[in-house]
Amino acid sequence: ETGVTQTPRHLVMGMTNKKSLKCEQHLGHNAMYWYKQSAKKPLELMFVYNFKEQTENNSVPSRFSPECPNSSHLFLHLHTLQPEDSALYLCASSQGLGTVNTEAFFGQGTRLTVV
Amino acid sequence: GQQLNQSPQSMFIQEGEDVSMNCTSSSIFNTWLWYKQDPGEGPVLLIALYKAGELTSNGRLTAQFGITRKDSFLNISASIPSDVGIYFCAGQLPHHQNNAGNNRKLIWGLGTSLAVNP
Repeated sequence: ETGVTQTPRHLVMGMTNKKSLKCEQHLGHNAMYWYKQSAKKPLELMFVYNFKEQTENNSVPSRFSPECPNSSHLFLHLHTLQPEDSALYLCASSQGLGTVNTEAFFGQGTRLTVV
Repeated sequence: GQQLNQSPQSMFIQEGEDVSMNCTSSSIFNTWLWYKQDPGEGPVLLIALYKAGELTSNGRLTAQFGITRKDSFLNISASIPSDVGIYFCAGQLPHHQNNAGNNRKLIWGLGTSLAVNP
């Protein structure tokens, strides 16, 4: 148990569906992240939030839409995805972008399959 | 984007053997982190290193922050079957090398896949 919880663990969706991934952290952290993990590739940082403000969007297609209502919760809204978007989506948190301790703590991930 | 060179890509060893893996970069890092990922799970932090030359242990795991600040290694002693998984290194650039969009972003290796034969 890392203190970061993601739901659902598995998701199969059609290309015309709309779904959302949820992440919640109980570590009192101020920064939250969405990563995409595909086979044979390094972890790809998608979005960064610090104190609820989005600080980074790594050229992610608009079919991925993040939302951070507070420092403990992070969502990733999905719509009209493509099969190549199938991957493990990982949420992580850390103390905050301005702190020395940069360790990221990860959730268990959502295995997304787009059919 | 930037990437760390992590090697070996995979290892298949006998239970009880020692394991060594490393990460190198062309850039200097301020922080090195080592994670382990079990199948179907997210990465779990094993060891964090913050100072050049630092040697830190966590049980049977030992990691070092290279003196040049461009590399790090992870050793596992007396491997056991539950050591199976993918090990990732991650590094953070010094603040002055982070542009506005990369503040505190971690750079990741591709991982070392470890299999242990009981």
